[in-house]
Amino acid sequence: DSGVTQTPKHLITATGQRVTLRCSPRSGDLSVYWYQQSLDQGLQFLIQYYNGEERAKGNILERFSAQQFPDLHSELNLSSLELGDSALYFCASSVAQGSYGYTFGSGTRLTVV
Amino acid sequence: GESVGLHLPTLSVQEGDNSIINCAYSNSASDYFIWYKQESGKGPQFIIDIRSNMDKRQGQRVTVLLNKTVKHLSLQIAATQPGDSAVYFCAENTPPYDKVIFGPGTSLSVIP
Repeated sequence: DSGVTQTPKHLITATGQRVTLRCSPRSGDLSVYWYQQSLDQGLQFLIQYYNGEERAKGNILERFSAQQFPDLHSELNLSSLELGDSALYFCASSVAQGSYGYTFGSGTRLTVV
Repeated sequence: GESVGLHLPTLSVQEGDNSIINCAYSNSASDYFIWYKQESGKGPQFIIDIRSNMDKRQGQRVTVLLNKTVKHLSLQIAATQPGDSAVYFCAENTPPYDKVIFGPGTSLSVIP
């Protein structure tokens, strides 16, 4: 157990729907990072939050959004889902805003049908 | 743009042999590199890291080599075991260290 908790582990939904993925960082970690892992794109950085504020953004689609709450858990919202959004979504956390490496959760597998 | 890539997408080795996984990076501003191991159904797990002021770092059964001249790093696993079977990612971080960029990964398969 890495200490980073992601729920749900699996999610199956239809195209056009909206889902919310949840992440609880490791105790003491203030930064949360979201990554998308698909077969043809590898691990792609989506977005980083530090202590409730957005700090860095990657190739995140406009249909996707995230936030980090006062208790430091984070949610990734995916809307108007397309088949191509099917992927593993990982959350990672670190102590600081700028950290060398992260601790990853076990991921949420999203399947869009 | 910045990118990290791998020379070999798959690697099969005999149990007990040494494994070498290679990686090329293109962002000369990157000064911190990490190797992650990802087993099936799990998230990436930190293995070893190296800063750009070093060219070699050793861990338990693993060694990372960094050649900044040709922007290349490698992961060496000594006496490879079945439990080493996984996908290995090299990754880089660049000031202000706000995101780790991953390479495409190499699948290591250990033959008993």
